[in-house]
Amino acid sequence: DIVLTQSPASLAVSLGERATINCKSSQSVVYGSNNKNYLAWYQQKPGQPPKLLINWASTRESGVPDRFSGSGSGTDFTLTISSLQAEDVAVYYCQQYYYTPRAFGQGTRVEIK
Amino acid sequence: QASLVQSGPAVVNPGASVKVSCKASGYTFNSYGISWVRQAPGQGLEWMGWISTYNGHTKYIQKFQGRVTMTTDTSTTTAYMELRTLRSDDTAVYYCARDWDYGRAGGGDALDIWGQGTMVTVSS
Repeated sequence: DIVLTQSPASLAVSLGERATINCKSSQSVVYGSNNKNYLAWYQQKPGQPPKLLINWASTRESGVPDRFSGSGSGTDFTLTISSLQAEDVAVYYCQQYYYTPRAFGQGTRVEIK
Repeated sequence: QASLVQSGPAVVNPGASVKVSCKASGYTFNSYGISWVRQAPGQGLEWMGWISTYNGHTKYIQKFQGRVTMTTDTSTTTAYMELRTLRSDDTAVYYCARDWDYGRAGGGDALDIWGQGTMVTVSS
């Protein structure tokens, strides 16, 4: 089965500063027929279900602030929050949807420094 | 707007079964599959499996094979997840989420709509 490894497990960032989360896949999640990366990022706040932020590695969902961006291809991906806001405190997960099972990363907790 | 609404919390005895429902609305039910994801207290997300609402085809992860059954009722646009022979480590929040299904391009989709979650507590 495919394994997604996120780093770091947690990070504390000052308000207005950049937060960067990495996700490494044990296998490529690029589909050759359409050249898309089957990689999503989710945000989960306490007591809430996960919320889809980004799919196809870099496409923001409607309504997601543009301070959130995704990048990467193949096996290495990054979620960047360009200017951390108080409401961004959450756990962030990557997930691949190319293979079954649909593996998640173990999560990265983002806090305010 | 599309939404998934799940059944309420359940407390069940060890060895018993639980069946969680997930009612879809606001979209064409049989154009999307349903994945089930669980989250133990303080832990990460665990994908359990998927069901096609188009033809009922299922995929389960190995650890739940033989213990889980996912079904749908297209007449009520509701998906169900039944987990049997419950143990204390099955205590978790169980989520349904909208997923890819046959007929959609690409062979996979991110989970874009989530239910609110159902807390299942296994305790005697």
